[in-house]
Amino acid sequence: DAKTTQPPSMDCAEGRAANLPCNHSTISGNEYVYWYRQIHSQGPQYIIHGLKNNETNEMASLIITEDRKSSTLILPHATLRDTAVYYCIVRVGSNYQLIWGAGTKLIIKP
Amino acid sequence: IAGITQAPTSQILAAGRRMTLRCTQDMRHNAMYWYRQDLGLGLRLIHYSNTAGTTGKGEVPDGYSVSRANTDDFPLTLASAVPSQTSVYFCASSDGITDTQYFGPGTRLTVL
Repeated sequence: DAKTTQPPSMDCAEGRAANLPCNHSTISGNEYVYWYRQIHSQGPQYIIHGLKNNETNEMASLIITEDRKSSTLILPHATLRDTAVYYCIVRVGSNYQLIWGAGTKLIIKP
Repeated sequence: IAGITQAPTSQILAAGRRMTLRCTQDMRHNAMYWYRQDLGLGLRLIHYSNTAGTTGKGEVPDGYSVSRANTDDFPLTLASAVPSQTSVYFCASSDGITDTQYFGPGTRLTVL
């Protein structure tokens, strides 16, 4: 079973910040939270990951709550090209296995 | 640098036939993975390999086999294809130190 819960879909206006939530209430202390996205059936693309501190890179920011039970991916200025399915994932086991849920379909509207 | 390549891009296969999906990476990553993605769903892990010479079973390994003779190549074989194996297959790799995975473009397989 997936260890994360995400809303199935979200809309966001172009140019605005897109905030994608994820619940991972059973996360273990040493498990990272990963975010990937998949644009129109292409191979998934890595976005960002974090353990407990907030993280930022050129694509997005990741905000993790203090209890680590949830996180939010922020796309600061969404463009039409950000329309994709976004997956929030935590690792399962010691063999680098990532368990993927159904993700959030984010639609950026002009 | 190509990253990860997969072949073929798509294939229509008769049930009962044998098929090998190819995956090659040029990043010298230790770990490689095969996933399947059914329409509208997330990815499910079929098999993985943490390093050349070793393989392991993922979430849905039945009907599939893999080998890892060297670092670069990780072929996935369907010994006797069935219609339920109709899916998009993605190969991925990671350096084995972090969990960041890099994906190929996928192979769309239809079994009739």
